[in-house]
Amino acid sequence: QVQLVQSGAEVKEPGASVKVSCQASGITITNNYMHWVRQAPGQGPEWMGVIHPTDTGTTSAQRFQGRLTMTRDTSTSTVYVELSSLRSEDTAIYYCARERGHDDKVFDYWGQGTLVTVSS
Amino acid sequence: EIVLTQSPGTLSLSPGERATLSCRASQSVNSNFLAWYQQKPGQAPRLLIYGTSSRATGIPDRFTGSGSGTDFTLTVSRLEPEDFAVYYCKQFGGSPLYSFGQGSNLEIK
Repeated sequence: QVQLVQSGAEVKEPGASVKVSCQASGITITNNYMHWVRQAPGQGPEWMGVIHPTDTGTTSAQRFQGRLTMTRDTSTSTVYVELSSLRSEDTAIYYCARERGHDDKVFDYWGQGTLVTVSS
Repeated sequence: EIVLTQSPGTLSLSPGERATLSCRASQSVNSNFLAWYQQKPGQAPRLLIYGTSSRATGIPDRFTGSGSGTDFTLTVSRLEPEDFAVYYCKQFGGSPLYSFGQGSNLEIK
């Protein structure tokens, strides 16, 4: 079955960077759009960006451009998100999610989430 | 930017009652790309409804989605104890590409 397993919680100081991983099993990441979504405490989810399956190109929400890097390692079936210049407002649970390939733009499998805390 | 506004923020009902949750968009949304997700504490969101009205695999038929344009609704006909959760609508096609509502908390009365 499909599983997305994310790396553990992180605590970072303001101005630092964080890199979260998401290892996939049961799917081939080169055949799927893999998204990153974050959720600040008590708030709705916020879409961050997506890594494309075939050309490893990425599309990200404008508010993250310049700070967000999404990559993948096909040898380990792992996708990564890195966010730089962290500030307290970046404290959130970060999720990876698979976009179902039915052209209906829905996320049918999610990782368990990674809590990133930004604090001095 | 397409903003999704959900109401009510919190709905208190008893098992067996009917729940109606609203999602209003700041501009017209392609109904093919309006989805609903359910989230329970400590869990990731779970896909419920896609394409405005199609149920995802394994979702019981007491969940119904409807709407078009800027107004969409999720109805739960007879609440079961496991239905009490937070519900989010999501759209694709605006800027940013995807956006979620702020959520409706369905709580036990």
